[in-house]
Amino acid sequence: TQLLEQSPQFLSIQEGENLTVYCNSSSVFSSLQWYRQEPGEGPVLLVTVVTGGEVKKLKRLTFQFGDARKDSSLHITAAQPGDTGLYLCAGGGSSNTGKLIFGQGTTLQVKP
Amino acid sequence: DTGVSQDPRHKITKRGQNVTFRCDPISEHNRLYWYRQTLGQGPEFLTYFQNEAQLEKSRLLSDRFSAERPKGSFSTLEIQRTEQGDSAMYLCASSLSGRYNEKLFFGSGTQLSVL
Repeated sequence: TQLLEQSPQFLSIQEGENLTVYCNSSSVFSSLQWYRQEPGEGPVLLVTVVTGGEVKKLKRLTFQFGDARKDSSLHITAAQPGDTGLYLCAGGGSSNTGKLIFGQGTTLQVKP
Repeated sequence: DTGVSQDPRHKITKRGQNVTFRCDPISEHNRLYWYRQTLGQGPEFLTYFQNEAQLEKSRLLSDRFSAERPKGSFSTLEIQRTEQGDSAMYLCASSLSGRYNEKLFFGSGTQLSVL
């Protein structure tokens, strides 16, 4: 069974601080997606990484896929209160469908 | 296009009752997915359709759960004889197949509470 473990589960920081969220597995994934979810809403896709070692940047967010395609990280620089939310990583299999394995999520709170 | 729409947003029911949820995907999307999310967890895959065909069902989906997509447009998810363990957020997502790195668009979900 493929599993994705995220750490930390909860993170509370002050505005302006940097943070990193980790997503680890013992399984290889064909792709890794990161989502952000706000209370009472569905997840919204932030980025997809597919190549081992790939790094993608989205404004203050930097996403990295591990060389072996078993892990990923999300780094936020100078966090802002608007970054508050639940961050989910999700691994895609070889079936090239939207059937994803999600991590349990990291709840981020950025205090002004 | 207003995105993926789910109805109702909230449902409270008593144990043993049947409930039905509806999902209207983005109009040009041919794939539709159902996920379930409990508090403090990430979404878990339940089933998906390509057009009207149900192509895969998770082992999580017991016999009390049934999903349909009769005309390849909207979908319904029915839970019969609800149990307290069914309490969760039920998320629908749609996508367009054939694209590299298929992108899922999620609805806002239906929050089910079984008393």
